[in-house]
Amino acid sequence: ILNVEQSPQSLHVQEGDSTNFTCSFPSSNFYALHWYRWETAKSPEALFVMTLNGDEKKKGRISATLNTKEGYSYLYIKGSQPEDSATYLCALLYGGATNKLIFGTGTLLAVQP
Amino acid sequence: DTAVSQTPKYLVTQMGNDKSIKCEQNLGHDTMYWYKQDSKKFLKIMFSYNNKELIINETVPNRFSPKSPDKAHLNLHINSLELGDSAVYFCASSQGEGHVRETQYFGPGTRLLVL
Repeated sequence: ILNVEQSPQSLHVQEGDSTNFTCSFPSSNFYALHWYRWETAKSPEALFVMTLNGDEKKKGRISATLNTKEGYSYLYIKGSQPEDSATYLCALLYGGATNKLIFGTGTLLAVQP
Repeated sequence: DTAVSQTPKYLVTQMGNDKSIKCEQNLGHDTMYWYKQDSKKFLKIMFSYNNKELIINETVPNRFSPKSPDKAHLNLHINSLELGDSAVYFCASSQGEGHVRETQYFGPGTRLLVL
C-alpha cells in the first residue's frame, strides 16, 4: 500500500510569516509529484507538477522543491497572506499498470491577519 | 465558464435508494475520474475513463457503476445506498491518460448524505 504523508497536519501563522510544509512519498515507481491548493468549499486547484530530482518550481510567493531519491517535497510560502489560507495537498503520480494519483491528507494552513 | 461541473452539489437520501451523480467537462479532455473523499479527508481514486473506456477501477463495491456516454461526461450511479457511502465525491478530468506532466482539473464536489 502506497503512503503519501504530509506534515504538519495543520499550521497557524501570522500574516507576513514565511512557512513550509513537507510531503513524503515512496521513491520507487515515481513518475511525478503534484501540489494542489484546496480552499474550503471549492475545488482543488493545481499549483505545480514536478518530475525531476532537484526540480524547483515557483508561482508568485509559493515555491516547491523535489527530492526523488529520498522521497520528499517541500512547499514554501513566503510572506503568508490571509488569502493563502487553504489545505495544500500533494499527490504522487504512481506508475503501475495505469497511472494514478495517490493523495496525501493535506496540510491545513490558516493565516491570521 | 465552469470547466468541470457536477450535479447535484448536495444529495440527501435514504438508505437503500439508488442515486446518480453527473459530471461534465468542457475542457476537451480525454480522461475523467471519480474520487471519494473519505472520513479522514483522503481523496481516493475510484474510477477513471479514457475516451469512454474504463482504465482504472479500484476496489469499489459493485453497487457503484460509472457510465460514460461520451468523453465529456462521466456519471456515477450508486445502487442500494448505505450509510458508509456518505462522503464528498469529486469528479476530475485531464488531457490524456494521466501522463507525467498532466494536471487534473476538479469539479466542486457532490456532498452525499445517506440517512
